Amino acid sequence: KQEVTQIPAALSVPEGENLVLNCSFTDSAIYNLQWFRQDPGKGLTSLLLIQSSQREQTSGRLNASLDKSSGRSTLYIAASQPGDSATYLCAVVTSYDKVIFGPGTSLSVIP
Amino acid sequence: DGGITQSPKYLFRKEGQNVTLSCEQNLNHDAMYWYRQDPGQGLRLIYYSQIVNDFQKGDIAEGYSVSREKKESFPLTVTSAQKNPTAFYLCASSIDRGPAYNEQFFGPGTRLTVL
Repeated sequence: KQEVTQIPAALSVPEGENLVLNCSFTDSAIYNLQWFRQDPGKGLTSLLLIQSSQREQTSGRLNASLDKSSGRSTLYIAASQPGDSATYLCAVVTSYDKVIFGPGTSLSVIP
Repeated sequence: DGGITQSPKYLFRKEGQNVTLSCEQNLNHDAMYWYRQDPGQGLRLIYYSQIVNDFQKGDIAEGYSVSREKKESFPLTVTSAQKNPTAFYLCASSIDRGPAYNEQFFGPGTRLTVL
């Protein structure tokens, strides 16, 4: 059974710092992995989608990597800003239409 | 603007009542999904639909029902059989049948509270 974990559950950093969020999954047979951002009381916004054949994806200050063999993905945020404060969730697709979400990491960037 | 809308934003239900949550998309997506989110937990799939007039149960379908009569609409009914319905409900869509190679796009959510 696929399980997705995200550590830490919460993270607080000063503005300007580079940071890494972690996502781990137990079954390496995935189709893709997606990172989302969720603001309090809001829906999810897709940040990056990494196909199983890819190693990383970049969008602006965000870089996501995928290592299927070790069951890990990282989301790197460069030069963090207070506007980056949100909960970040990862989700893996393990088989057709089966999506497993992690519980999320709550990020606070302190001005 | 293309996107997914959910209504209402907040919904209060008395015990024993059925309520219906609305989800509409104008992205011309084939696949639509309903998720439930509880504090400290990841999203869990309730139902999904890959095409009009077809839908499949997800991991926690008991106490819920859906319909897909139109491509753009996928309403979720929370029935009185759902024992703990208080949660944040999220609707999503993807361009094709299933998320295996497609991004999911989410609506703003509906917060349901049972009084």
